[in-house]
Amino acid sequence: AQSVTQLDSHVSVSEGTPVLLRCNYSSSYSPSLFWYVQHPNKGLQLLLKYTSAATLVKGINGFEAEFKKSETSFHLTKPSAHMSDAAEYFCVVSDRSSGGYNKLIFGAGTRLAVHP
Amino acid sequence: DVKVTQSSRYLVKRTGEKVFLECVQDMDHENMFWYRQDPGLGLRLIYFSYDVKMKEKGDIPEGYSVSREKKERFSLILESASTNQTSMYLCASSPRLGGQETQYFGPGTRLLVL
Repeated sequence: AQSVTQLDSHVSVSEGTPVLLRCNYSSSYSPSLFWYVQHPNKGLQLLLKYTSAATLVKGINGFEAEFKKSETSFHLTKPSAHMSDAAEYFCVVSDRSSGGYNKLIFGAGTRLAVHP
Repeated sequence: DVKVTQSSRYLVKRTGEKVFLECVQDMDHENMFWYRQDPGLGLRLIYFSYDVKMKEKGDIPEGYSVSREKKERFSLILESASTNQTSMYLCASSPRLGGQETQYFGPGTRLLVL
């Protein structure tokens, strides 16, 4: 079965500095990987997804992630944090259910705080 | 614009009550999902449905059931609510089951069982 591990439960950065949210995955086949973001009191929104095309994936709001098969990693980065980036971020992998249907497996989440 | 709505943002129920959580999507999606979200555990899949009247158990189906009588509506039922079902419940939909589809989420229902 697939799984994801988010290596940090909390990350704190200053506004204007780089953001790095780390994610490692476990997969028995070529995975589809996603990052979702959840702002306070809001539903989840897709940031970006990797689907075996380019290994560097660009998403919304200046975020990007790089798929590294040798390291089984899919870290999320942004060159310069903005106050509005404060949210919870989830790394997600696609898995197959016992019935043969694909489903999403979520990491535990990383809460990003951005300080002035 | 894509929209998934959930019937309540906040709900307070007593132990043993029967609880219905409703989800409606306006995108004509085949697939709908129910998750619960708990701190430190991320989202865990309770049930999903890939067609009207069809359902499949997720990772934590115990204590829950679902109903999908119409394509746009997916209901989560707690037959006899318990305090360990206090949680945030999120509904999602997607256009098809595959490895690359995006799921669209509702705003969530925060349920407190006393």
